[in-house]
Amino acid sequence: AQSVTQPDIHITVSEGASLELRCNYSYGATPYLFWYVQSPGQGLQLLLKYFSGDTLVQGIKGFEAEFKRSQSSFNLRKPSVHWSDAAEYFCAVGLMEYGNKLVFGAGTILRVKS
Amino acid sequence: DADVTQTPRNRITKTGKRIMLECSQTKGHDRMYWYRQDPGLGLRLIYYSFDVKDINKGEISDGYSVSRQAQAKFSLSLESAIPNQTALYFCATSDSLSEQFFGPGTRLTVL
Repeated sequence: AQSVTQPDIHITVSEGASLELRCNYSYGATPYLFWYVQSPGQGLQLLLKYFSGDTLVQGIKGFEAEFKRSQSSFNLRKPSVHWSDAAEYFCAVGLMEYGNKLVFGAGTILRVKS
Repeated sequence: DADVTQTPRNRITKTGKRIMLECSQTKGHDRMYWYRQDPGLGLRLIYYSFDVKDINKGEISDGYSVSRQAQAKFSLSLESAIPNQTALYFCATSDSLSEQFFGPGTRLTVL
């Protein structure tokens, strides 16, 4: 069955430090991969997506992610975190053969300390 | 104006009551989805619809029903609410190969 694992429930980083959020997926076919962010009390906003092509994907707000097929991973990175990045981050795999259904990971809560 | 709207934004109800959550979109997408979010579990799919005549169960459809009244409207009903349906509910839309666009969510509390 398809699944997405985000091994870190909480991560705390200092403002200005680099960030990496981990995501591993289990899916038999070529995946479509997404990272969404949810600020407190808000809906989900798409940060970036991978459908095909270049495995390093650039997104909004200075985020990037790298698709590594051999590791079944799609980790999210940012070189310098800002206090406004504090939020919950969700990785998801899109099942296009099932009508673009999304399977989400459990989420990683990012705290930024000043 | 928001592309995907949900009403109500917050609702408190009692066990056994019937509840309807509504979703409207102006993006012109054919596909609409209902998810629930629980802490530590991420989002889980309840129902999805590819067009007005198409309704499909997701992974956690028990206790829920949906209605696709028009391309732009997709409602979620809890026929007899129970406390473990307390959650944050999201509606989303997409076209065939794009990402999904989410509404702001409805926080439902069942006492």
